[in-house]
Amino acid sequence: QQKVQQSPESLTVSEGAMASLNCTFSDGTSNNFRWYRQHSAKGLEVLVSIFSDGEKEEGRFTAHLNRANLHVSLHIREPQPSDSAVYLCAASVNTGNYKYVFGAGTRLKVIA
Amino acid sequence: EAAVTQSPRSKVAVTGGKVTLSCHQTNNHDYMYWYRQDTGHGLRLIHYSYVADSTEKGDIPDGYKASRPSQENFSLILELASLSQTAVYFCASSDKWSSAETLYFGSGTRLTVL
Repeated sequence: QQKVQQSPESLTVSEGAMASLNCTFSDGTSNNFRWYRQHSAKGLEVLVSIFSDGEKEEGRFTAHLNRANLHVSLHIREPQPSDSAVYLCAASVNTGNYKYVFGAGTRLKVIA
Repeated sequence: EAAVTQSPRSKVAVTGGKVTLSCHQTNNHDYMYWYRQDTGHGLRLIHYSYVADSTEKGDIPDGYKASRPSQENFSLILELASLSQTAVYFCASSDKWSSAETLYFGSGTRLTVL
């Protein structure tokens, strides 16, 4: 079954610097990928959905998908302290029914 | 905006006791899901449902039951809670069972089994 690995486990960046998060998956069967953000004691909110190779931008959040390299990344432009959260990558899996496999997350801290 | 609400927000249970986690959605979505989140692990699917009065097993269903009495409500039941079931539980809903659909999550229930 598809496995999703995220790196780094944690990341600290200064306010205004670019933050880059990575996600690698174990096989090329997934159709689409999503990045979610999880603030403490809150649910997950979807940031970017990407369905084809290349780039997808949603405000300050940009996802890059490279299926050949089994890799999807998230770049956060001008991160703010309010962006401090856990970021989860999810890959779709079709096993007759669709479902989603999640990575363990990257904990991002943005310092002022 | 999609709305999924979970109750309780947190719960402490004793080993061997019965625990019921509740989820309510106002999105008019057909699909509902229960995930658990453990430190160092991603979300793992426990049960899901695509229609009222029917539930399906996810990837880690052992030790859990689910109930979907209506389109809006989806419960997760631990008949005999165990220490290993200490985790954060998330409910989610989606319009369709499709890889193109976004999951809308509740705020989670933190369950501690002592």
